[in-house]
Amino acid sequence: DAGVTQSPTHLIKTRGQQVTLRCSPKSGHDTVSWYQQALGQGPQFIFQYYEEEERQRGNFPDRFSGHQFPNYSSELNVNALLLGDSALYLCASSLGSSGAYEQYFGPGTRLTVT
Amino acid sequence: KQEVTQIPAALSVPEGENLVLNCSFTDSAIYNLQWFRQDPGKGLTSLLLIQSSQREQTSGRLNASLDKSSGRSTLYIAASQPGDSATYLCAGTNSGNTPLVFGKGTRLSVIA
Repeated sequence: DAGVTQSPTHLIKTRGQQVTLRCSPKSGHDTVSWYQQALGQGPQFIFQYYEEEERQRGNFPDRFSGHQFPNYSSELNVNALLLGDSALYLCASSLGSSGAYEQYFGPGTRLTVT
Repeated sequence: KQEVTQIPAALSVPEGENLVLNCSFTDSAIYNLQWFRQDPGKGLTSLLLIQSSQREQTSGRLNASLDKSSGRSTLYIAASQPGDSATYLCAGTNSGNTPLVFGKGTRLSVIA
């Protein structure tokens, strides 16, 4: 049973550029959430997708946007990158109808903005 | 707004010791509480999920409890091993499939 996968593993970008991160949820899961984890901090919620719609959003600017595809995979896009966007980006999947809502995380994408 | 705090921030223990990691939260209406392990630079591995109707969960040498009235959860690790060295994060949700709110974690070092 494949778990949550993310690509790429590492990424280096320059200020002002745009980046796209990708996530495939655990088999059978339909809900994808994205989190940003700065060094030494707990993950912070960015947004959640369910049925191809953004269902909830955390306190992140509009430069952060996303998409969910019919196969439940998801993308996170960040425009006009800032140095402060350097972090580990984590994708989590869950089954929206399960009631338990246990979230499973991927290995993350390490983004470095120079 | 739910806030989660973990104390201590770091802990170093000799191998074989039993230990307790603490997690406190501000809103007693917490729905689910999940404990995770994170190795340096890696993603999160789910250890235990305590659902709203439960008070504790056990998996192997790990036991987690949840006391909503006091706003606390504890993770008990029995007979610690060097391989348990990692950062342990707790996170709660307030209802249904809502976002996890995380603490900053406790960095555990088990010394052989």
